[in-house]
Amino acid sequence: DTAVSQTPKYLVTQMGNDKSIKCEQNLGHDTMYWYKQDSKKFLKIMFSYNNKELIINETVPNRFSPKSPDKAHLNLHINSLELGDSAVYFCASSRKGARNTEAFFGQGTRLTVV
Amino acid sequence: DAKTTQPNSMESNEEEPVHLPCNHSTISGTDYIHWYRQLPSQGPEYVIHGLTSNVNNRMASLAIAEDRKSSTLILHRATLRDAAVYYCILRDEWGGADGLTFGKGTHLIIQP
Repeated sequence: DTAVSQTPKYLVTQMGNDKSIKCEQNLGHDTMYWYKQDSKKFLKIMFSYNNKELIINETVPNRFSPKSPDKAHLNLHINSLELGDSAVYFCASSRKGARNTEAFFGQGTRLTVV
Repeated sequence: DAKTTQPNSMESNEEEPVHLPCNHSTISGTDYIHWYRQLPSQGPEYVIHGLTSNVNNRMASLAIAEDRKSSTLILHRATLRDAAVYYCILRDEWGGADGLTFGKGTHLIIQP
């Protein structure tokens, strides 16, 4: 059983399109995250979501929006895709406020905008 | 999260121990020291974490300096599968919803 799973693994799309990446965790965690890893391999937090509380990294464009239908899912929706959005996107989950805040990551979604 | 400093890269031989250093001179009293690693084409993976005392688990050991301004991740017997980027990250006790702040990490190269 995969703890944190993302779909699709690869996504190639044209500029201006709208796309979504899905994420599901089966660990019973109450906090989920989206990270972006750019071409220089630098990993950066985009969002964290906990019990309907959304914390946004201020550098993330508002074309990016997380959607959480329930505690086990946090999908990433991207509007009007741009070339610079090409990156690998990782979903993660953890427990909030616990001493052992080990985070589990998905395998990533490689987004290529052409 | 307070800042950490790690060497850009390190090289070691297979089946030998590896000591990966991390400096965190601005660590606060409630910051936990976490280590993650990212294998090629995979998501980051939790390795170990600690507060003050040295810690051991099935993957590695974490040695924490007495003043907590530095720590060392120890892989006791490196294998080719341990080739990865290793990240040292500080989390406060209630790390919670603000996520992990990744630096550049140390690129560990394992020679057969």
